[in-house]
Amino acid sequence: QSALTQPASVSGSPGQSITISCTGTSSDVGGYNYVSWYQQHPGKAPKLMIYDVSNRPSGVSNRFSGSKSGNTASLTISGLQAEDEADYYCSSYTTSSTPDVVFGGGTKLTVL
Amino acid sequence: QVQLVQSGAEVKKPGASVKVSCKASGYTFTRYYMHWVRQAPGQGLEWMGIINPSGGSTSYAQKLQGRVTMTRDTSTSTVYMELSSLRSEDTAMYYCARDYCSSTSCYLDPWGQGTLVTVSS
Repeated sequence: QSALTQPASVSGSPGQSITISCTGTSSDVGGYNYVSWYQQHPGKAPKLMIYDVSNRPSGVSNRFSGSKSGNTASLTISGLQAEDEADYYCSSYTTSSTPDVVFGGGTKLTVL
Repeated sequence: QVQLVQSGAEVKKPGASVKVSCKASGYTFTRYYMHWVRQAPGQGLEWMGIINPSGGSTSYAQKLQGRVTMTRDTSTSTVYMELSSLRSEDTAMYYCARDYCSSTSCYLDPWGQGTLVTVSS
């Protein structure tokens, strides 16, 4: 069982928007603004898409956005494209001495 | 550019040990901690631990305490993850990922390409 809770799957049609939730506790998501989102295509390493709740690294499309309310963070992808189909993982640093970082169980995004 | 290059795939028998390397380039090696994360086939990401390349201090996931050892060689900008007493459940892709942390920001980036460790008799 993962420390952070994500839906197992979400889907949307091209051009639509989807949101993936990530629920933790006051010891991780709620305690820090160090929530990140990673995209993983099959057979590839995870790629950073959002950091510090809502910041996009250089080169990541502005169709990707993040937010947080209390113990729940969210990733929104607008204007869905076929290449967005992948697994998405949230992560958070924790206030505990260990683990330092926890991950969600991952969400499979299907573009219909 | 910042890059992490990991060692090649390994096949080990149950009870054996495996040591995976991660060579960093493109930045000051001792300035950033390094995480190890693993992913079993078809499963999610699991945090294994972190090492400070500057002093060598480590912090490990509770479930791996006693079986995992993370070390570094500053002369070659390489970190190592050794896992002992391997069991079938340790079959996974193992990733290193740089811990980018400042006073206002923390995240894992970049990631290595991954090293597949297969435990099989």
